[in-house]
Formats: sequence, structure tokens, C-alpha cells
Amino acid sequence: KAGVTQTPRYLIKTRGQQVTLSCSPISGHRSVSWYQQTPGQGLQFLFEYFSETQRNKGNFPGRFSGRQFSNSRSEMNVSTLELGDSALYLCASSLVTGGSFMNTEAFFGQGTRLTVV
Amino acid sequence: TQLLEQSPQFLSIQEGENLTVYCNSSSVFSSLQWYRQEPGEGPVLLVTVVTGGEVKKLKRLTFQFGDARKDSSLHITAAQPGDTGLYLCAGAASGSRLTFGEGTQLTVNP
Repeated sequence: KAGVTQTPRYLIKTRGQQVTLSCSPISGHRSVSWYQQTPGQGLQFLFEYFSETQRNKGNFPGRFSGRQFSNSRSEMNVSTLELGDSALYLCASSLVTGGSFMNTEAFFGQGTRLTVV
Repeated sequence: TQLLEQSPQFLSIQEGENLTVYCNSSSVFSSLQWYRQEPGEGPVLLVTVVTGGEVKKLKRLTFQFGDARKDSSLHITAAQPGDTGLYLCAGAASGSRLTFGEGTQLTVNP
């Protein structure tokens, strides 16, 4: 079974630009979460999607947005990029059974390394 | 805001030594997951503990969830260079949103 796939692996953008990152979850997983990882802050939760609906959102500015498609694939978008947005962006997929989100396990992709210059 | 404190932040040991990594919080978690991450890669799930007092073993790795479900530990016996990596604990209070500790960077020298 294929794991979580994130594209692209690496990106270099200029301040002020916008960027879209893509995540394909494990087949059958309908929950997709996004995290930002930086050396200073560690892994910070961005948002979670389930059945095309945002279930949960972290404390990030509105420049960070996401969506989920009917096939569970997800994208996140960052507009008006700032230098501080440079980070490893990680996507995790979870199998949610019976509508219960308790004790679900998160499986991560390899991440997209975004560098803003 | 839920916080998970991991210690130590850095650990450098010789091959064959034992070590323990701690993950503590003042909050109760419904489950706690341990991950290992290598440079440039995403975290890889090692284990999930759910029940207070639960102990799980994965070869030379032993994971324990505190009775009150607020803390956890990871013990590695006879560490090997292949154990080198960033170890992360992550707690789930409700749902699938995870709160991560800062991580423990482990280096095992041959």
C-alpha cells in the first residue's frame, strides 16, 4: 500500500509570492492534517480536513489555507509569503472508522521543504 | 494550550548504552504516539499508547504511558548507530489533532 505522497519535495519562492502544496493520503484514509516544522517551533498544527470539510484549525494567520477534494487529496496554500514561512510542511493521513476520531494514528509524508528568499 | 515537554533535548551516547527519553504534560491525552524522524524526511510512527499504565515493546524499544495519561517514556536498550534520529512524542487530546513535543535528537556513536 502506497504511503502518503507530498509534492513537490522542494520549493524556492520569493517573498510576496503564493504557493500551493499537494498531499495524497494513504488509500482509504479520509482525514488529512497539515503541520509546519521549523527548528525553533518544532511541529505546529495547521489544519485538518475530513470529507472535504475543515475540522480543526491551528493558530496560523489567514494567509494559510487548505482544501480537500472528493478523492481525499488535499492542498494547502500560503499567500503573500514571508521569510518566516520557510519550513518543512508535513501532511499526515489518518484512517477514521465509524466516524470516531479518537486514538487515530497519523502517518506522515516526506514533506515539502519550502524556502522563501 | 496543551504542551508536551520532552527531555533531554539532545543525547549523544556510545553504542551499547541504554537511554530513556521523557515526555511530560500537565494535560491528559487520550493517546500518545512516538515517532522517529530522519533529516529531510517525515516522522515515522513507532507506536501508539492508549491505556494509562500501558507498556509496549518494539524490539529494543520500550514505551510506557503514565497511569494518569499525562506522561510517557521511551527506553532504548543497547542502542545502535541505526537508532540515531529525532524522537518525537505527540499527544492527542480529542480527535486526530496532535500536539508535539520539541523532540529529542539522539546520536549513537559506534
